[in-house]
Amino acid sequence: RKEVEQDPGPFNVPEGATVAFNCTYSNSASQSFFWYRQDCRKEPKLLMSVYSSGNEDGRFTAQLNRASQYISLLIRDSKLSDSATYLCVVNGAGGSYIPTFGRGTSLIVHP
Amino acid sequence: EPEVTQTPSHQVTQMGQEVILRCVPISNHLYFYWYRQILGQKVEFLVSFYNNEISEKSEIFDDQFSVERPDGSNFTLKIRSTKLEDSAMYFCASFKEGGNQPQHFGDGTRLSIL
Repeated sequence: RKEVEQDPGPFNVPEGATVAFNCTYSNSASQSFFWYRQDCRKEPKLLMSVYSSGNEDGRFTAQLNRASQYISLLIRDSKLSDSATYLCVVNGAGGSYIPTFGRGTSLIVHP
Repeated sequence: EPEVTQTPSHQVTQMGQEVILRCVPISNHLYFYWYRQILGQKVEFLVSFYNNEISEKSEIFDDQFSVERPDGSNFTLKIRSTKLEDSAMYFCASFKEGGNQPQHFGDGTRLSIL
C-alpha cells in the first residue's frame, strides 16, 4: 500500500469554481501534514500546513481527518493562476520525520 | 525572505562522469535534505543531514551518492559514475528544527545525463 496517495487528476475547472482534493496516508502515527504547490519544472512551494482543527488561508482551506487518515484541500473561487500540481506531504508516513510526498494532483483552471 | 539556493540550475553530463550539485541552505537552519524528482514522477527523498552527518537515507541513496558540508554554508550532493536514469530534478531543502516543520526548497538543479 502506498504511503501517501492522491488522485493525479487532472481536475479541469472553470474560473470561479470550487474544487477539493483529498490525500490519504497509511501510517496512523504520521505527525504533520502539508500541502505544497508545484508548477511545471519548478520546486515545491509550501501552500499551507494542515492543523488538526482545520485551517484557512484566504481562498484555501485545509482539513485533517485522523480517524480516516486523510487530509483535504479546498480551493474556492479558482483563479487561472491556481493551475498547478498540488502535493500532499506527510511527515512520519514512513515511520520517521522524513517527509513523504504524494504524487500530486493536477489542477487546470480555464477561462 | 531567506532562500535556499542551488547551483547550477542545469547540468549536462556524459554518462559515467561525476557531478557535484551545490546548495546553500538558509543560514540558521540545521536540517538539510536532498530530493530527486524524475520527470513526471513524484518527489523522492534521498538523504537527510544533521549535525555534520547523515541522519537518514533512502534505498535510492546507494554508494554512488555522497553528501558533504565542506564549510559552514554549502551542502553538496556528489553523484559518481552517473547513469542515464540519474537524469532528474534534484532539490535541496532545509529547515530550522526537526520534527513537524515544513521544509524550504531550493529551485532545483536539472541534471541531464547523455
